[in-house]
Amino acid sequence: GAVVSQHPSWVICKSGTSVKIECRSLDFQATTMFWYRQFPKQSLMLMATSNEGSKATYEQGVEKDKFLINHASLTLSTLTVTSAHPEDSSFYICSARDSKGGSQPQHFGDGTRLSIL
Amino acid sequence: AQSVSQHNHHVILSEAASLELGCNYSYGGTVNLFWYVQYPGQHLQLLLKYFSGDPLVKGIKGFEAEFIKSKFSFNLRKPSVQWSDTAEYFCAVNAAGGGNKLTFGTGTQLKVEL
Repeated sequence: GAVVSQHPSWVICKSGTSVKIECRSLDFQATTMFWYRQFPKQSLMLMATSNEGSKATYEQGVEKDKFLINHASLTLSTLTVTSAHPEDSSFYICSARDSKGGSQPQHFGDGTRLSIL
Repeated sequence: AQSVSQHNHHVILSEAASLELGCNYSYGGTVNLFWYVQYPGQHLQLLLKYFSGDPLVKGIKGFEAEFIKSKFSFNLRKPSVQWSDTAEYFCAVNAAGGGNKLTFGTGTQLKVEL
């Protein structure tokens, strides 16, 4: 089946540093990938839609200068949390949708747990 | 904007018991509906989906869900659960023509006891 690889799975860093998270579709191409954030005991909240070769579309309330998204190829999207602070600590999950079109569901990565000290 | 409500946050069942997890959504237009499962330590996996056609959808591992348009519901069912069904279950909605964006419910944690 379709596999989405997300790396790293866990990162701990100091406040003020920037952290990059990668999301790769391993056996399919994805013109569209999605980035979610999940707080403890809450649902996944869509942060942004990553579009290959163009700018990401951010959801209301998500700072695009804070969460930089790059989707440079059909199999890779990156999320960079810039100047991270403790309130950015969360579980970040990416998903990718097969570019084949039609009724294609999203396939999810394992998530990245980000802890900012 | 659409929203999804899952009424049961925690469910505990014995093996062989029947399962029904509720999911209601609010959106006036055409929707695509999904149930995802997340087993402990694993990523979200698609259980089943409804796009159109027969409102009774069968998914993997013996799960099924019924779309009742008049009730804005998409409840998940399984006649006889197994210990291995212990997981968190998420209902999700995508407004047709909404750019494939998914709106998730808060999830239901299912624990199946032997």
